Amino acid sequence: DVKVTQSSRYLVKRTGEKVFLECVQDMDHENMFWYRQDPGLGLRLIYFSYDVKMKEKGDIPEGYSVSREKKERFSLILESASTNQTSMYLCASSLRDVLAVYEQYFGPGTRLTVT
Amino acid sequence: QKEVEQDPGPLSVPEGAIVSLNCTYSNSAFQYFMWYRQYSRKGPELLMYTYSSGNKEDGRFTAQVDKSSKYISLFIRDSQPSDSATYLCAMNRNQGGKLIFGQGTELSVKP
Repeated sequence: DVKVTQSSRYLVKRTGEKVFLECVQDMDHENMFWYRQDPGLGLRLIYFSYDVKMKEKGDIPEGYSVSREKKERFSLILESASTNQTSMYLCASSLRDVLAVYEQYFGPGTRLTVT
Repeated sequence: QKEVEQDPGPLSVPEGAIVSLNCTYSNSAFQYFMWYRQYSRKGPELLMYTYSSGNKEDGRFTAQVDKSSKYISLFIRDSQPSDSATYLCAMNRNQGGKLIFGQGTELSVKP
C-alpha cells in the first residue's frame, strides 16, 4: 500500500515562529511537491523537487523554503510564520516516468494555524 | 482570468442521479487532463486521466475532454452516497509533472 505521510495533522504556531513540515514517501518516487489548499482557491503549488537536493519554485513560493536531503523526505519550512500562511498543507509524490508522472499520491495534509 | 476554472458548488443530488462536473481552461497547450477525488480530511486521490480529446469510461465514471472548447467533464452515473467528496480537475503544465488544479467542486449525494 503506497504511503505518503506528513508529520502532523494539526499544528498551531505563533506569528514569527519558524515552522517545519515534514513529508515522507515510501514509493521511491523521484518527484515531490508541496501545495497549500484554501477555500475557493483550490490547490496551489508552493515548491517542487524532482531529485535529491533539487528544487523548483511553484506558483506561491514567497515566505517558504524547502529541503530535500534524502529521496524519500521533503520538508517545507516557513522561515517566519505569518497569519496569512494559515492553511491546509498537502504533500504529494509521483514517479518521473512520462506515463505515470501525472498520478500524484497525496498525504493526509497538515492543517496549520498561525496566531 | 484563472488558467483553470471550476464551479466550487456545493452540489447536492439524490442517490441514483447522474452528476456532471465541469472545468474550463484557457491554455491550449494542456495535454493531460485529470480528475482527483478528495474525501473529507483526506488528501486527493487520482480518479481518472485522459490524454488529449475524447472520452474515457471506468465503471460509473466517464471523463470527457473537448479541446476545441477547452472544456472537460466528469460524469457519474447512478451516484451513491459514497461518491460524496470534493472533485478537482487538474491539467499538466509541462512534461515535468507539475499540475494546475481547479478550485474543486463539493458534491453531496443524499440517500
